[in-house]
Amino acid sequence: SQELEQSPQSLIVQEGKNLTINCTSSKTLYGLYWYKQKYGEGLIFLMMLQKGGEEKSHEKITAKLDEKKQQSSLHITASQPSHAGIYLCGADTGGFKTIFGAGTRLFVKA
Amino acid sequence: NAGVTQTPKFQVLKTGQSMTLQCAQDMNHEYMSWYRQDPGMGLRLIHYSVGAGITDQGEVPNGYNVSRSTTEDFPLRLLSAAPSQTSVYFCATRRTPPGVGDYGYTFGSGTRLTVV
Repeated sequence: SQELEQSPQSLIVQEGKNLTINCTSSKTLYGLYWYKQKYGEGLIFLMMLQKGGEEKSHEKITAKLDEKKQQSSLHITASQPSHAGIYLCGADTGGFKTIFGAGTRLFVKA
Repeated sequence: NAGVTQTPKFQVLKTGQSMTLQCAQDMNHEYMSWYRQDPGMGLRLIHYSVGAGITDQGEVPNGYNVSRSTTEDFPLRLLSAAPSQTSVYFCATRRTPPGVGDYGYTFGSGTRLTVV
């Protein structure tokens, strides 16, 4: 079965610094989602990537799916306290199912 | 526009009790699903539905039942609650099933369930 591994598990950054979160799949990715979850709340859709080499941006957040389609990275530029939360990647596995990684907890120090 | 509404937000059950977690959507989405979220394990798929009258099992279906009699509603039933079912439950909908179109999921705000 397909698995998604996110790294790092948690991250503390100083406000204004850049950061990268990675999502690595054990199989080829055909639909890769990035979500943000505020602590104790639901998940908010950030973006979806489907094509190898595809890159999308949402405000100061950029996500890319590598050419081989087995890894995606999420990059935040000039982090702000509002970026704090849990970032989860998800992947379509076929058979009308989507799996999610365990998440990366981001803390931003003001 | 409410989106995806889950009720209740919090629930405490005793072992062996049964209950139904409600999920309602007003977006006319075909696809609905239930996930549970546990620390360190991310989201795990319990059951899903590609349309009214059609449901199927996900990754962790044991102890749970679902039905989909309308497009709008997708209730999750716990038959006989166990402490291992203590978790946060999320309902998630999508315009089309995964693999069809480039749509994202819309999640409800979750139900935090504790089984004692």
